[in-house]
Amino acid sequence: GDSVTQMEGPVTLSEEAFLTINCTYTATGYPSLFWYVQYPGEGLQLLLKATKADDKGSNKGFEATYRKETTSFHLEKGSVQVSDSAVYFCALRNAGGTSYGKLTFGQGTILTVHP
Amino acid sequence: EPEVTQTPSHQVTQMGQEVILRCVPISNHLYFYWYRQILGQKVEFLVSFYNNEISEKSEIFDDQFSVERPDGSNFTLKIRSTKLEDSAMYFCASSEENGTPLHFGNGTRLTVT
Repeated sequence: GDSVTQMEGPVTLSEEAFLTINCTYTATGYPSLFWYVQYPGEGLQLLLKATKADDKGSNKGFEATYRKETTSFHLEKGSVQVSDSAVYFCALRNAGGTSYGKLTFGQGTILTVHP
Repeated sequence: EPEVTQTPSHQVTQMGQEVILRCVPISNHLYFYWYRQILGQKVEFLVSFYNNEISEKSEIFDDQFSVERPDGSNFTLKIRSTKLEDSAMYFCASSEENGTPLHFGNGTRLTVT
């Protein structure tokens, strides 16, 4: 079945540091890939997405590129801020399924950014 | 911006009791979902709901679980007889159409004692 694996956390960085959170996936067909973010006390928010190979999703300075050859969708940001502290979830949605709402999530990575 | 609202934010119940988790999806959305996250584990799909019926469910969603849209605004998840292992954060989500992004609520933390 489909699965998503994220790098182990937690990740602790200083402000303005470079961020990478690794995500790899296993899926049949041609999945769409997503990063969701959960700020303290809030729900899951869509951060960015990519629907086909070589697409780059970007939002709020975050980027991720859909790499079919390495089955990866790593999240990057050039300069993190304290306000980026949150839990980040990589997820896929397989277009071959009967319900396009069925997301398969990774385990989440806790990011803490210190001033 | 419209949002998905879940109540209560935290529910404590005793093993064997019935519990109902409530959600108000975004008003023009047609697809509704429940997910859960057991502490320290992945967010897992439970069920999707469209046109007043379940469109897909996972193996977790057994006979102890049911969903309902009792009126035009609420979407509920009922657990008939709770077990300790049902303790988790339960997320409701909705989407406007099939394939469009999901909007999640803040979750209900269910604690079964």
